[in-house]
Amino acid sequence: AQSVSQHNHHVILSEAASLELGCNYSYGGTVNLFWYVQYPGQHLQLLLKYFSGDPLVKGIKGFEAEFIKSKFSFNLRKPSVQWSDTAEYFCAVVNSGGYQKVTFGTGTKLQVIP
Amino acid sequence: GAGVSQSPSNKVTEKGKDVELRCDPISGHTALYWYRQSLGQGLEFLIYFQGNSAPDKSGLPSDRFSAERTGGSVSTLTIQRTQQEDSAVYLCASSLTGLAGGAKNIQYFGAGTRLSVL
Repeated sequence: AQSVSQHNHHVILSEAASLELGCNYSYGGTVNLFWYVQYPGQHLQLLLKYFSGDPLVKGIKGFEAEFIKSKFSFNLRKPSVQWSDTAEYFCAVVNSGGYQKVTFGTGTKLQVIP
Repeated sequence: GAGVSQSPSNKVTEKGKDVELRCDPISGHTALYWYRQSLGQGLEFLIYFQGNSAPDKSGLPSDRFSAERTGGSVSTLTIQRTQQEDSAVYLCASSLTGLAGGAKNIQYFGAGTRLSVL
């Protein structure tokens, strides 16, 4: 069965600091990868996705993630965080053939201090 | 509708009572998912519907939990004889399909139902 690990449960950064949130998955086949974000009091929403092609994907609000197949990783990055990035971030994976449920990581709470 | 709609937004119930939570997915989305979000537990998968059938209900925590989907649209999650540990936010998501992968797997989430069992 596939699984997703997010190493950091709670991250606190000052504004303008750089961000990297780890995500590793376990599945040997072809995967689709997602990062979702949940801002305080709001719905979960898609931040960015990887299906195929360029392993460096750009998302909304200056976020990017890099798919490294050899490391089974899909880490989320942002060069300079803002207070408005305070949210919970979830990594998710689904294998790309047939039905497979999307598996989410346990989430990382990011707190950005002004 | 424009998005995934869940009702009620908040539900307070007494231990031992039954509750029903409703999810109205995006029109045309054939896949529907229920999750539970508890403090410190992340997103816990409960059940997945493709159309009206549930090929994966492996996440339902006990036989007190059940779900159905009718007409390939609205779904109801029922919790019988609620316990305090059932307190959580129950999230529903829909996607164009649960099959084939790619953009069709992108899930769109509702605002959730916050269940409090006293």
